[in-house]
Amino acid sequence: EPEVTQTPSHQVTQMGQEVILRCVPISNHLYFYWYRQILGQKVEFLVSFYNNEISEKSEIFDDQFSVERPDGSNFTLKIRSTKLEDSAMYFCASSVREEGSGELFFGEGSRLTVL
Amino acid sequence: GENVEQHPSTLSVQEGDSAVIKCTYSDSASNYFPWYKQELGKGPQLIIDIRSNVGEKKDQRIAVTLNKTAKHFSLHITETQPEDSAVYFCAASIRGNEKLTFGTGTRLTIIP
Repeated sequence: EPEVTQTPSHQVTQMGQEVILRCVPISNHLYFYWYRQILGQKVEFLVSFYNNEISEKSEIFDDQFSVERPDGSNFTLKIRSTKLEDSAMYFCASSVREEGSGELFFGEGSRLTVL
Repeated sequence: GENVEQHPSTLSVQEGDSAVIKCTYSDSASNYFPWYKQELGKGPQLIIDIRSNVGEKKDQRIAVTLNKTAKHFSLHITETQPEDSAVYFCAASIRGNEKLTFGTGTRLTIIP
């Protein structure tokens, strides 16, 4: 069964450091997303990406965040200068289409711990 | 923006009994309401969804109902089994998978 894969599964970093989280969406999917979940809290939308550009972003997704699809398979989330409050589980997701029967598939997440 | 409230936060049910989880949303423009199941150490997995032109949808032991007037929707699991134990999230959006707003989650425990 096709799946969304994320690396690393867990990253520990010092405050102020840059972090790149990587995702390989399902191969025929066209829409890509990042969500995050702070421990014990709800899953929050960060950004959606289609046709090599951001289609929607939340207030959380400020100038410290960026996304990129550097090749035909990877989809990355970069946090330029991490803050303590960036500690969370980051989920990548992808779908064939935005609406209709386009089920959203999530990866297993990358846990980011900022010290 | 959209706000989704979910209740209860925890729910324990005897195996074989039914479980009901309820969500309310604030934005009347929302028209897509998926439910996700999250098992320990895994990402959320879609289990059922409903669109605003439908009042009820069923898939085997799982059903979802939507009341647009009251702006609430519910997940019903019948004949619960131990493998139903997980955290369940409701969500809402104005446009499909774009910018889903999630509820706070319900930890469902099925007691054998």
